[in-house]
Amino acid sequence: AQSVTQLGSHVSVSEGALVLLRCNYSSSVPPYLFWYVQYPNQGLQLLLKYTTGATLVKGINGFEAEFKKSETSFHLTKPSAHMSDAAEYFCAVSGLNDMRFGAGTRLTVKP
Amino acid sequence: DTGVSQNPRHKITKRGQNVTFRCDPISEHNRLYWYRQTLGQGPEFLTYFQNEAQLEKSRLLSDRFSAERPKGSFSTLEIQRTEQGDSAMYLCASSLALGQSYEQYFGPGTRLTVT
Repeated sequence: AQSVTQLGSHVSVSEGALVLLRCNYSSSVPPYLFWYVQYPNQGLQLLLKYTTGATLVKGINGFEAEFKKSETSFHLTKPSAHMSDAAEYFCAVSGLNDMRFGAGTRLTVKP
Repeated sequence: DTGVSQNPRHKITKRGQNVTFRCDPISEHNRLYWYRQTLGQGPEFLTYFQNEAQLEKSRLLSDRFSAERPKGSFSTLEIQRTEQGDSAMYLCASSLALGQSYEQYFGPGTRLTVT
């Protein structure tokens, strides 16, 4: 069965600083991995996904993530945080019939 | 592109009442999923449909929960005899059936409060 673990339920950065949100996965088959963002009282919006091919994946809003099989990780980064990045971020791995989400990381951006 | 829509956005009900939520997926998507999300947690998978067939329902939380997608378009999720523990955000998502590489597109959710 697939699962993901997000390390750190809360991350706080200053505006302009590097954003790093950590995700480790467990999968018995080659994983398909996703990052979603959720703003208050809204649904989830896809940031990026990894399926096959290039291990560095670029997404919307300047985010990117790198698939590292040896470390079973799929960490999300952004070089320079913006106030509008403050939200909840979820890492997910797809199974045959469903998608398994991590518990989420709340990102706070300080001015 | 109208996206996934859900109605109502908010529902307040008294314990013991039945509630029904509706989800309209993206029109060309043949898969539809229901999730529950409680505070501080990620979405928890409940069930999914491919066209009108419900292919997975063992993860529905109890026999008080049921879902339908009668014509392979919109879907409804019903909770009977609601309990306070049912208070949560109920999310719907849709996708194309392309194996595991699909991405799911989420609606805004229905927030249920059981008093």
